[in-house]
Amino acid sequence: DIVMTQSPDSLTVSLGERATINCKSSQSVLHTSNNKNYLAWYQQKSGQPPKLLIYWASTRESGVPDRFSGSGSGTDFTLTISSLQAEDVAVYYCQQYYSTPITFGQGTRLEIK
Amino acid sequence: QVQLVESGGGVVQPGRSLRLSCAASGFTFSDYTFHWVRQAPGKGLEWVAVMSYYGGNTYYADSVQGRFTISTDSSKNTLYLQMDNLRPEDTAIYYCAGQYCTATFCERFDPWGQGTLVTVSS
Repeated sequence: DIVMTQSPDSLTVSLGERATINCKSSQSVLHTSNNKNYLAWYQQKSGQPPKLLIYWASTRESGVPDRFSGSGSGTDFTLTISSLQAEDVAVYYCQQYYSTPITFGQGTRLEIK
Repeated sequence: QVQLVESGGGVVQPGRSLRLSCAASGFTFSDYTFHWVRQAPGKGLEWVAVMSYYGGNTYYADSVQGRFTISTDSSKNTLYLQMDNLRPEDTAIYYCAGQYCTATFCERFDPWGQGTLVTVSS
């Protein structure tokens, strides 16, 4: 099984500042056949289902604000929020969909300072 | 409108069974592979099971293998999760999610349902 490890577990950032969340997979999720990283990022607000933000490690889902960006390849990935807004308070998860069983990171709780 | 709607959750005693449903609309059911993902109270996301419409292959998390069965009814555009011999640790919100797949690759998990709560308690 591919183990997904996020860091940090929690993060407190001031409004307008940058927030960075890291995700490391225990093996590469880069598929050589199409050169795509099978890595997604989700945002989950209290009482709501997960919302897809980023897929293929760096492709922003339609409707997601451009302050959200994803980067990385192979085993190391980053979600960046360039200028934190109040509505970004949530728990963020990375997910690998490279192989079954599908696995998620443990989550990173993002709060406002 | 592309959507998945779960139903069937509730309170059930340990050892009993429950069947969840997930109704799909707004997209071609046969183009998708479907998953169940759960979230225990205050915990993270845990993948539970997958059914590949293309080939009908099924896979399960070790925690539910032998107790849960995933299936689809293409005539009703509906995904199911039959949960037998339920345990208190199965208490969670259960989400269904669709994943566009071809014979050679699969894309992201999209859409997701809103979830249905299963509580296993005596």
